Amino acid sequence: DAGVIQSPRHEVTEMGQEVTLRCKPISGHNSLFWYRQTMMRGLELLIYFNNNVPIDDSGMPEDRFSAKMPNASFSTLKIQPSEPRDSAVYFCASSRDNQETQYFGPGTRLLVL
Amino acid sequence: GEDVEQSLFLSVREGDSSVINCTYTDSSSTYLYWYKQEPGAGLQLLTYIFSNMDMKQDQRLTVLLNKKDKHLSLRIADTQTGDSAIYFCAPRGGGGNKLTFGTGTQLKVEL
Repeated sequence: DAGVIQSPRHEVTEMGQEVTLRCKPISGHNSLFWYRQTMMRGLELLIYFNNNVPIDDSGMPEDRFSAKMPNASFSTLKIQPSEPRDSAVYFCASSRDNQETQYFGPGTRLLVL
Repeated sequence: GEDVEQSLFLSVREGDSSVINCTYTDSSSTYLYWYKQEPGAGLQLLTYIFSNMDMKQDQRLTVLLNKKDKHLSLRIADTQTGDSAIYFCAPRGGGGNKLTFGTGTQLKVEL
């Protein structure tokens, strides 16, 4: 079975540009999580969805960040405008239910110049 | 919120056992996970333990849980160079499904 799929795997952009990260969860999973990993702050949960509905977005850093899940097989995390401090690895994870084990994608490495 | 602490580095010789420790603060944590992250890769689920257990063994991996002291450990027997990675402890808070990750322990296996 395919795992969690993320795209792009790497993104380099300039400050002020819009960045869109994409995630396809494992088929049949109805919970989806977005995490950010940096050296300074480690792994942080940004937002999670259950049945396509955002449940907890308390980890979203500021209004420049937004996430959507239009259907059960696709989610986006958007940063507009991007800033150098947004440089990090962004992981998407999914689970069969919100009480089940989370499986992680390979991550998107974002560099904002 | 939950605080999770791990030591940052561990170095062992190939063939020895490795023990990675983790302490957490939320006594209502239900499941406690161990993830492995190799350089440039995502997080791979290694194993987990339910809070009503004190030990779980899975091939070379042994997880010990001391719920009273809120201490979790991962023992890797016969450590191999392929075990070199960062290991994250991640308790799941009671009543929810949010994982809180520790800082990660970088395991280096030397020949």
